[in-house]
Amino acid sequence: EDQVTQSPEALRLQEGESSSLNCSYTVSGLRGLFWYRQDPGKGPEFLFTLYSAGEEKEKERLKATLTKKESFLHITAPKPEDSATYLCAVQAWNDMRFGAGTRLTVKP
Amino acid sequence: DARVTQTPRHKVTEMGQEVTMRCQPILGHNTVFWYRQTMMQGLELLAYFRNRAPLDDSGMPKDRFSAEMPDATLATLKIQPSEPRDSAVYFCASGRSTTPGLNEKLFFGSGTQLSVL
Repeated sequence: EDQVTQSPEALRLQEGESSSLNCSYTVSGLRGLFWYRQDPGKGPEFLFTLYSAGEEKEKERLKATLTKKESFLHITAPKPEDSATYLCAVQAWNDMRFGAGTRLTVKP
Repeated sequence: DARVTQTPRHKVTEMGQEVTMRCQPILGHNTVFWYRQTMMQGLELLAYFRNRAPLDDSGMPKDRFSAEMPDATLATLKIQPSEPRDSAVYFCASGRSTTPGLNEKLFFGSGTQLSVL
């Protein structure tokens, strides 16, 4: 069965303290890996799509990378406004399955 | 900005009652996903439509849940009868799919917070 596992469940950082979030997956025929950000009381908001191993995408302080078994979301010099839950989702045939998320808190 | 619209935003009902949640996808999108989110289970896929045709509803309890797309501007999720364990946030998301089985990024609505007493 297809599985998506995110770690850690929660991460607390000081402002400016860089770190990485992990998304590991077992999917038959990966057709895309997506990263979303979710703020409390809102729906997830799209960040990145990665399609093949070795691919990287960047947006402001965030960089997403993909290997054949996992994806990382690197956060460089985070700010308090980066606090949110970060979700990854894998796409197989007719399926878009989400991980449980990493709840990131960035303290000033 | 185009957005996915979900109604109602909040719903409190008693066990055994019928609940209907509605979703208006973004104009021009041809895929609609329904998800349920709880603290314990995270985002669970309930149903998936492409060009209004149901392609996957394996995550949905068949005896009480039903999902339909009567037209391209409306998707509905019904629970009958509702139970306390159905309490969760239900999200609708829409997107584009130009190739069967391949979806572009999803746009999510704000969700329906359902409480079944």
